[in-house]
Amino acid sequence: NAGVMQNPRHLVRRRGQEARLRCSPMKGHSHVYWYRQLPEEGLKFMVYLQKENIIDESGMPKERFSAEFPKEGPSILRIQQVVRGDSAAYFCASSATRDRGRRNTEAFFGQGTRLTVV
Amino acid sequence: SQQGEEDPQALSIQEGENATMNCSYKTSINNLQWYRQNSGRGLVHLILIRSNEREKHSGRLRVTLDTSKKSSSLLITASRAADTASYFCATDGVNRDDKIIFGKGTRLHILP
Repeated sequence: NAGVMQNPRHLVRRRGQEARLRCSPMKGHSHVYWYRQLPEEGLKFMVYLQKENIIDESGMPKERFSAEFPKEGPSILRIQQVVRGDSAAYFCASSATRDRGRRNTEAFFGQGTRLTVV
Repeated sequence: SQQGEEDPQALSIQEGENATMNCSYKTSINNLQWYRQNSGRGLVHLILIRSNEREKHSGRLRVTLDTSKKSSSLLITASRAADTASYFCATDGVNRDDKIIFGKGTRLHILP
């Protein structure tokens, strides 16, 4: 059972381009979280998704950022018209579903995508 | 906000000594987790303690939880150079759709 897979590991984009970050959760996991981390800082929550639903996107900027977790395929975090301030490490985590649809809290992380905007 | 806050922000100790890190949070939680992150890598799940538990052990790790004070501590005994990393606490709220919130972390450096 592979862990959480994120790709690419490193992504370089010029200002104004689009960045697409992919996250394949662990097999059987239906909850996905995206976090952003700046150097020497903690993880800042961005968005929490279940299959085909956004549960909480309160940490995600309203403009230029979007996220999806389709029925089939990986979760995608999309950043349009990137700016230098978007440079960061983006981590994805997944967890399973337990009773009554509530997620299992134990979340497993991918290795992250390091986005550099030049 | 239910966000956890770790202290100290940074800690340097000699190899073999014990390291203690603390985490405080603000709202009621379902459980609390500790994670480790080596520089430039993803987070590794260390231990989860439920709100009805007071202490939990895993190898050289000991976690305590005091829900009345809304605080937790992570103790690493007999520290090793490989324990050098950042340590984060993460809280899970009591509501169904609560997200997992991380603190800013403690950067632990083990001196040889």
